[in-house]
Amino acid sequence: GDSVTQMEGPVTLSEEAFLTINCTYTATGYPSLFWYVQYPGEGLQLLLKATKADDKGSNKGFEATYRKETTSFHLEKGSVQVSDSAVYFCALSDPRAKTSYDKVIFGPGTSLSVIP
Amino acid sequence: GAGVSQSPRYKVAKRGQDVALRCDPISGHVSLFWYQQALGQGPEFLTYFQNEAQLDKSGLPSDRFFAERPEGSVSTLKIQRTQQEDSAVYLCASSLAISRRTVYNEQFFGPGTRLTVL
Repeated sequence: GDSVTQMEGPVTLSEEAFLTINCTYTATGYPSLFWYVQYPGEGLQLLLKATKADDKGSNKGFEATYRKETTSFHLEKGSVQVSDSAVYFCALSDPRAKTSYDKVIFGPGTSLSVIP
Repeated sequence: GAGVSQSPRYKVAKRGQDVALRCDPISGHVSLFWYQQALGQGPEFLTYFQNEAQLDKSGLPSDRFFAERPEGSVSTLKIQRTQQEDSAVYLCASSLAISRRTVYNEQFFGPGTRLTVL
């Protein structure tokens, strides 16, 4: 079945460092791909998404490109801030799934801590 | 406008107790999802409602888990005879969509209820 794998954390970076969180997926079709973020004490929020190959999702300085050939959707940010400290979840939704709704499959999450 | 709210935020139960977890979705959202998030893991699907109809309960781990949404708004997840393995964060999410489309219908998540079973 469909699945998502992402790099294990925790990841600790200094402020203004470059961030990459790797994500790869397994799916039978061409899923939509997402990054969700969970700040401490809050619910998951959609950070960015991409719905087809070579699409680039971006938001709040974060970017991820849908790479069909490598089945990857790595999250990047050029200069992290302390306020980016959170848990990041890579996820997919397969539009060909035999459901009447968007069934989302999440990766295990990667915890990021940014220190001043 | 208000987002998705859940109550209680924290619940401690003794093994064998019944618990009820509440979810208030965003007003007007047709779809409602429950997820279970174990420590250090991503959310895992439990069940889905479209209005008051429970269309998918394939993710409920046992018959001790029961969910309802009788009027198509507020939902309750009930766990009977809780076990230690039920300890997790239970997340509720809602989305506006009536049916799946080719464009993803964003799910908005509540803060979750952290259940600890002693």
